[in-house]
Amino acid sequence: EAGVAQSPRYKIIEKRQSVAFWCNPISGHATLYWYQQILGQGPKLLIQFQNNGVVDDSQLPKDRFSAERLKGVDSTLKIQPAKLEDSAVYLCASSLAGAHEQFFGPGTRLTVL
Amino acid sequence: GQSLEQPSEVTAVEGAIVQINCTYQTSGFYGLSWYQQHDGGAPTFLSYNGLDGLEETGRFSSFLSRSDSYGYLLLQELQMKDSASYFCAALSGGSYIPTFGRGTSLIVHP
Repeated sequence: EAGVAQSPRYKIIEKRQSVAFWCNPISGHATLYWYQQILGQGPKLLIQFQNNGVVDDSQLPKDRFSAERLKGVDSTLKIQPAKLEDSAVYLCASSLAGAHEQFFGPGTRLTVL
Repeated sequence: GQSLEQPSEVTAVEGAIVQINCTYQTSGFYGLSWYQQHDGGAPTFLSYNGLDGLEETGRFSSFLSRSDSYGYLLLQELQMKDSASYFCAALSGGSYIPTFGRGTSLIVHP
């Protein structure tokens, strides 16, 4: 069974530029999560989707971050404009509906210069 | 808000037993999960406690006490490959919204 796919794996941008990350969850997984993980810290939930609906986005900086999961399958996370403090690994995870076990993708390492 | 506390670092020798503690303050608490993350890798699921008591999975066990808002991960027969970061994550509400701790770096010495 294929795991969670993410692209790109690495991205370097200048501050004030825009960037987008893509995630394809495990087939059949209704719940999709986006996390930000800063070096030396735990993953911080940015947004949680159930199918194409938002379950929680209380920690998403909505002035610059946006996410969508239009068809309830793959998802895109966008940052516009990026700030230096956005440098982090962005992790996507998925799970079956109502399940507590999350499966993580390899992440996208973002560097903002 | 939600918060979890874990020790920042634990060291142990190969073959030993180590316990990583986690205390939490979360509203609508549902259960506690544990994840392992090697440097440069993605977190992988280890264990989950929805009820009080001990859950055992091979060399790893996890414990939860709801009355004490406390849990721990127990790793037995430590191996060098167990050197990694370990995160506890509290799940809250009917949609299991996760909040992760800052992680514990486990260093296993030969």
